[in-house]
Amino acid sequence: AQSVAQPEDQVNVAEGNPLTVKCTYSVSGNPYLFWYVQYPNRGLQFLLKYITGDNLVKGSYGFEAEFNKSQTSFHLKKPSALVSDSALYFCAVRDWGTDKLIFGTGTRLQVFP
Amino acid sequence: GAVVSQHPSWVICKSGTSVKIECRSLDFQATTMFWYRQFPKQSLMLMATSNEGSKATYEQGVEKDKFLINHASLTLSTLTVTSAHPEDSSFYICSANSGRDRDTQYFGPGTRLTVL
Repeated sequence: AQSVAQPEDQVNVAEGNPLTVKCTYSVSGNPYLFWYVQYPNRGLQFLLKYITGDNLVKGSYGFEAEFNKSQTSFHLKKPSALVSDSALYFCAVRDWGTDKLIFGTGTRLQVFP
Repeated sequence: GAVVSQHPSWVICKSGTSVKIECRSLDFQATTMFWYRQFPKQSLMLMATSNEGSKATYEQGVEKDKFLINHASLTLSTLTVTSAHPEDSSFYICSANSGRDRDTQYFGPGTRLTVL
């Protein structure tokens, strides 16, 4: 069965510093991986996805993620964090054979000024 | 592109009443829509998958008679919470696959349901 894990409930980073939000996956076959961000009382916004191709995927708002097959990871990164990046971040993998997304438990990113 | 709207954004109702939530794809046709439920500080729980013109597929443990889903057109799916009770209070979010990008789900802004 497909699954993703987000090992950190919360990540704290100072504004201007690089940030990383971790995600590892477990799938049979090639993974379709996604990152979404959720602001309070809002739906999810799509940030980026990995389907195939380059391991470094660039997305919205300056975010990028690196697909690492040997480590089964898909960590979200940004070179310089903004206070406005503070939100809840979800990693997800698409379930093979369906269009369902399987979400991680979410990581709350707090960027301090 | 790929904008999904939900209406209402929030609703308060009395116990025993029914509430309908609409999910619309505004600039694309969505053959598949999904309904999720999210409890405070928790991840999203998939409730059902809705395909246009056919019956919804419910996840295990979700009562189909309580959560009625209708996907009448390629741009509209509705979730009706029947005979709502306080334990149905939650944040309900829909999503849709764009026909041009079946790999990606685009999410609506969510509906906050409070049952008194």
